[in-house]
Amino acid sequence: NAGVTQTPKFRVLKTGQSMTLLCAQDMNHEYMYWYRQDPGMGLRLIHYSVGEGTTAKGEVPDGYNVSRLKKQNFLLGLESAAPSQTSVYFCASSGSPIREQYFGPGTRLTVT
Amino acid sequence: GDSVTQMEGPVTLSEEAFLTINCTYTATGYPSLFWYVQYPGEGLQLLLKATKADDKGSNKGFEATYRKETTSFHLEKGSVQVSDSAVYFCALTGGLIQGAQKLVFGQGTRLTINP
Repeated sequence: NAGVTQTPKFRVLKTGQSMTLLCAQDMNHEYMYWYRQDPGMGLRLIHYSVGEGTTAKGEVPDGYNVSRLKKQNFLLGLESAAPSQTSVYFCASSGSPIREQYFGPGTRLTVT
Repeated sequence: GDSVTQMEGPVTLSEEAFLTINCTYTATGYPSLFWYVQYPGEGLQLLLKATKADDKGSNKGFEATYRKETTSFHLEKGSVQVSDSAVYFCALTGGLIQGAQKLVFGQGTRLTINP
């Protein structure tokens, strides 16, 4: 049972480039979340999904897009990367809104 | 809005020392409170939780009590080990947003235990 996996683990982008981060979970969870973690700050919610085909904005959605075409996958896209998006990105999933969130290992993104 | 404040880190202790990491919160209503731990190179794992006032969460020798009167949820362990070295995050549920759980995190406290 892999839990929550994220690819890639590391990535370096130049300003203006685009990329997609993939999150996959094998726990049949309905709820999935994307967070970013910056030094000295806790995790902040970017976007989330309450089920296949749904997405919604979190606390810091600007500059990101997401898609949930399959229940097990939640994709985070950066259309035109900016240095302010240098961060560690975590995906999480949960079986219900009141249950524990399970986190992936993170993707470290650097935008130069 | 809801917020969580943790003690500033980093914290460095010797093995077998007593640990306290302070956490206070501001919230409307009656949030659930959590401590998450992040070991080097890994994602966050739930360490313990408490869902109502005076509840005590415990796991792996760690404890935290939900104190509504002082709006606190301090993490304690009686005798730390080198393997406890990690970043610890206090968090609360900030209610539901369109049916999904909204977690509000503190800034994290890095703990290093020396042998």
